Amino acid sequence: GQNIDQPTEMTATEGAIVQINCTYQTSGFNGLFWYQQHAGEAPTFLSYNVLDGLEEKGRFSSFLSRSKGYSYLLLKELQMKDSASYLCAVERLQAQLWSRNRAGGSYIPTFGRGTSLIVHP
Amino acid sequence: DAMVIQNPRYQVTQFGKPVTLSCSQTLNHNVMYWYQQKSSQAPKLLFHYYDKDFNNEADTPDNFQSRRPNTSFCFLDIRSPGLGDAAMYLCATSRGTSGRGGYSYEQYFGPGTRLTVT
Repeated sequence: GQNIDQPTEMTATEGAIVQINCTYQTSGFNGLFWYQQHAGEAPTFLSYNVLDGLEEKGRFSSFLSRSKGYSYLLLKELQMKDSASYLCAVERLQAQLWSRNRAGGSYIPTFGRGTSLIVHP
Repeated sequence: DAMVIQNPRYQVTQFGKPVTLSCSQTLNHNVMYWYQQKSSQAPKLLFHYYDKDFNNEADTPDNFQSRRPNTSFCFLDIRSPGLGDAAMYLCATSRGTSGRGGYSYEQYFGPGTRLTVT
């Protein structure tokens, strides 16, 4: 089984910095995605971490510690449009049996419930 | 240009009446996924196709079936919808699934179909 934990809701002020944490427990871990989802819309890809450390991409950065089962998404210079849900998705190895003679595995992402970020003026 | 298209965007069906949701993609991706998402909850993977190979999640009810007749299209069939099946259904695609060594492909999601069961 697996367990992915994120805070349910966070609030922050326009122009500020906010850090959204994600902790996980899973077997067969490979990497971790962050997605942004605006209300009523589909998730869109933000970042992917497979190695320990920080990945920076413009105003957004994502950090991973594999030994601690921990990641965070850092949002800088917050804008009103950043109000959305932020989903942490953990990749795990899923063994598959496609036929009697063909078996293998794929890394399939499993999503956390998301953190709703509200940015105030 | 739309890359992952879902039709319809809103679907209303009656309790117990079969319904089919459709997804198409113009990305030529190998993998197609179906997720169920209820309000304020995580998207829950129902199944995925890697090319023609079908992979069912262990806890996906038998009431849910899927078909992928070709690379571009994938369908979600709900044989006898119950009130608890009302949700947003998200289709996603990716070029592949990750391999060892950190190689990974992000998912591209369609806009979703919101299913209401009356």
